[in-house]
Amino acid sequence: GEQVEQRPPHLSVREGDSAIIICTYTDSATAYFSWYKQEAGAGLQLLMSVLSNVDRKEEQGLTVLLNKKDKRLSLNLTAAHPGDSAVYFCAVTHVGDNSKLIWGLGTSLVVNP
Amino acid sequence: GGIITQTPKFLIGQEGQKLTLKCQQNFNHDTMYWYRQDSGKGLRLIYYSITENDLQKGDLSEGYDASREKKSSFSLTVTSAQKNEMAVFLCASSIGTAGNTLYFGEGSRLIVV
Repeated sequence: GEQVEQRPPHLSVREGDSAIIICTYTDSATAYFSWYKQEAGAGLQLLMSVLSNVDRKEEQGLTVLLNKKDKRLSLNLTAAHPGDSAVYFCAVTHVGDNSKLIWGLGTSLVVNP
Repeated sequence: GGIITQTPKFLIGQEGQKLTLKCQQNFNHDTMYWYRQDSGKGLRLIYYSITENDLQKGDLSEGYDASREKKSSFSLTVTSAQKNEMAVFLCASSIGTAGNTLYFGEGSRLIVV
């Protein structure tokens, strides 16, 4: 079945730097791609989602890139600030089994002032 | 806006005890989920339900029971708590299947003594 690898598991950047998190997946039928953020002691919150017909999406300092050829999804936080410190998860689902999201293991991001 | 409420926030029980976690949502969503979150292991789906009285097993259903007696509530029972089950349990809901945004509760931490 589908496998998702997320890297890096831990990421530390300085305020104002960019932070890039990458997920690779195995199933070419994967159709829906999403990024969630989990702040300390809280549940997960959707940041952005894209369908497979989208290569790039930008919103409020976040850029999601989808490279279907390499089966790679990335999240780029441009000009990170301390409030971005959290755990980030990618989650994907493929055609035909919409009820099960496949999750990456998460990236713990620390943004230092 | 809606909210997902998980109770209790901390559940302490003895080994072998049957323990129940509860989840309520006021989004009027059809689909609800229970995930287990262990450090370094991401999210693993225990049970989900696509409508009232429906139950679908996830990847980690053994040792758990679930109940969806009302559209707004979804409970999870640990049938015989074990010390290696100490984790955070996350409830989520979505309009339809996982191609939609998942809205998460803040989590319930299970502590087995």
